[in-house]
Amino acid sequence: GESVGLHLPTLSVQEGDNSIINCAYSNSASDYFIWYKQESGKGPQFIIDIRSNMDKRQGQRVTVLLNKTVKHLSLQIAATQPGDSAVYFCAEITSGGYNKLIFGAGTRLAVHP
Amino acid sequence: EAGVVQSPRYKIIEKKQPVAFWCNPISGHNTLYWYRQNLGQGPELLIRYENEEAVDDSQLPKDRFSAERLKGVDSTLKIQPAELGDSAVYLCASSLGTGWGQSEAFFGQGTRLTVV
Repeated sequence: GESVGLHLPTLSVQEGDNSIINCAYSNSASDYFIWYKQESGKGPQFIIDIRSNMDKRQGQRVTVLLNKTVKHLSLQIAATQPGDSAVYFCAEITSGGYNKLIFGAGTRLAVHP
Repeated sequence: EAGVVQSPRYKIIEKKQPVAFWCNPISGHNTLYWYRQNLGQGPELLIRYENEEAVDDSQLPKDRFSAERLKGVDSTLKIQPAELGDSAVYLCASSLGTGWGQSEAFFGQGTRLTVV
């Protein structure tokens, strides 16, 4: 399948290193955020989510940090593996009658052995 | 459990021809989304359904695009007539709802449309 990350910023890391992918969101009223992983030729896949009343949430090998003051979201991947190579998107939802899942610009993660 | 199923997987058509995409969401999911993804970009929302009602179609180019979700389950997205700029991947997603704990959207593999 074709690559979805031809024109996206790329983060290159060595296998075993930690990766940090950043995202700036646009709507200060957004109260729910999701990170998605998209491999070539596939649809986006849910990784982890966080609510606006949190500043940190941990999953298996992944951590999401939320800084509402500067409208910034980050995804940390511990001990990055070749299978983590993909394009990563953050998405935001604003509740209160505006429950639209909006995707931000993606980042391509390239993991080198 | 079956995920979101889309068909066809690929479609090549000449400009000005009609085209239709089909989506079968995960059973029990009330919310259904259609997104368009251009190469190198994030998905852009076209339309969102809550059951059979289109609650957000503000981004759908209504002069040529139409969608329906009869009985609140399967959905079709149609383009007529197609233009060269419509070439993209069309993604369908579904979720239980849109509140906390329900908003995780599951995506299908998409339909890759090429208009020549």
